[in-house]
Amino acid sequence: GEDVEQSLFLSVREGDSSVINCTYTDSSSTYLYWYKQEPGAGLQLLTYIFSNMDMKQDQRLTVLLNKKDKHLSLRIADTQTGDSAIYFCAEIPSGGTYKYIFGTGTRLKVLA
Amino acid sequence: DVKVTQSSRYLVKRTGEKVFLECVQDMDHENMFWYRQDPGLGLRLIYFSYDVKMKEKGDIPEGYSVSREKKERFSLILESASTNQTSMYLCASRSGMRGETQYFGPGTRLLVL
Repeated sequence: GEDVEQSLFLSVREGDSSVINCTYTDSSSTYLYWYKQEPGAGLQLLTYIFSNMDMKQDQRLTVLLNKKDKHLSLRIADTQTGDSAIYFCAEIPSGGTYKYIFGTGTRLKVLA
Repeated sequence: DVKVTQSSRYLVKRTGEKVFLECVQDMDHENMFWYRQDPGLGLRLIYFSYDVKMKEKGDIPEGYSVSREKKERFSLILESASTNQTSMYLCASRSGMRGETQYFGPGTRLLVL
């Protein structure tokens, strides 16, 4: 069935890199997203990647896509305390236009 | 900038009450969504609407209904609130174009006593 998995927690020290991982099940998914949710707020799009790409870089963010293993990762370089939030990956399964499948979310805690 | 607003940030209701959660978007988006967010479960889709007066059930529609009479407004209705509906409710909208991201409102934290 459709399922997107993430680890629930990640703790890093300020200035280190953070890597948040996501495993999805539909190998034909065409769009994959990373969202950030700060405390008490809705989700905000961070970045996305098309399935025909292996990597996308956007300032401190690097997204890696391994389609063979159905694995998506988000790397945050020079992690800051303001990066503390919940991070969700999401996919649009093949054949779908409306339905997004979200992961459980990874809570990132940045230690000063 | 796309703006999605929700009528309340926090709401406290009693079991059996009828509850209305309102969502408004200002970008003329065709698609609108209601999710609930619970710890460890991520976001689960309750209902979505792909156009005015059109709706489809999501993964967990039981105990909920929706209304979309105008393009900018999507309402979630709890006909008879129960304690297991205590949750964070998130509304989102997007254009009808494939792959376009969703834009989320700030959420409504509902407590049912």
